[in-house]
Amino acid sequence: DVKVTQSSRYLVKRTGEKVFLECVQDMDHENMFWYRQDPGLGLRLIYFSYDVKMKEKGDIPEGYSVSREKKERFSLILESASTNQTSMYLCASLRGRAFQETQYFGPGTRLLVL
Amino acid sequence: AQKVTQAQTEISVVEKEDVTLDCVYETRDTTYYLFWYKQPPSGELVFLIRRNSFDEQNEISGRYSWNFQKSTSSFNFTITASQVVDSAVYFCALSEQNTGGFKTIFGAGTRLFVKA
Repeated sequence: DVKVTQSSRYLVKRTGEKVFLECVQDMDHENMFWYRQDPGLGLRLIYFSYDVKMKEKGDIPEGYSVSREKKERFSLILESASTNQTSMYLCASLRGRAFQETQYFGPGTRLLVL
Repeated sequence: AQKVTQAQTEISVVEKEDVTLDCVYETRDTTYYLFWYKQPPSGELVFLIRRNSFDEQNEISGRYSWNFQKSTSSFNFTITASQVVDSAVYFCALSEQNTGGFKTIFGAGTRLFVKA
């Protein structure tokens, strides 16, 4: 069974802290994504990776960075957390380079920055 | 520019009522896929259906049905005889061939409340 896991379901951090969100998939998928979900805005793409050590900016990359050292793991980093980064963060993976494929999502991490 | 609009922010129905969730999209690509995902309170988006741009056949799966009309750029989702377990946020999404699946556009979502 397909599985995408995220390291934390809930996280509370202070402004200025460095925050790491981890995502692991067990499907050997080439592509992985980080989205943030905000009410009324749906899902917005932060970064994606199509291969190990490869990354591309999405629509809202400012304030974030990512790391993909292994195929199964994709990390989202908030270098200096700010209150406007309080959100739900969703990781997803996708097989191949096919626009018709469905993405598989993790359960999400609710991040609160105080 | 590509865009997905789900005009209904929240819908509330009583169990056993039918409910339709609207989705309107914009794209310049002639080859694309449309998706519906369900996000229950647990948070994980679950895939429901996909439809390619060349297949306008409607689809029915149990209590779920989808109506795809290219003429109006709509891909609406109907739940027949709704149940409490249908309460969730539903997302419509668009994936275009020219982005290779890397830039799926999601609508803002429609939150459905089904009351017992």
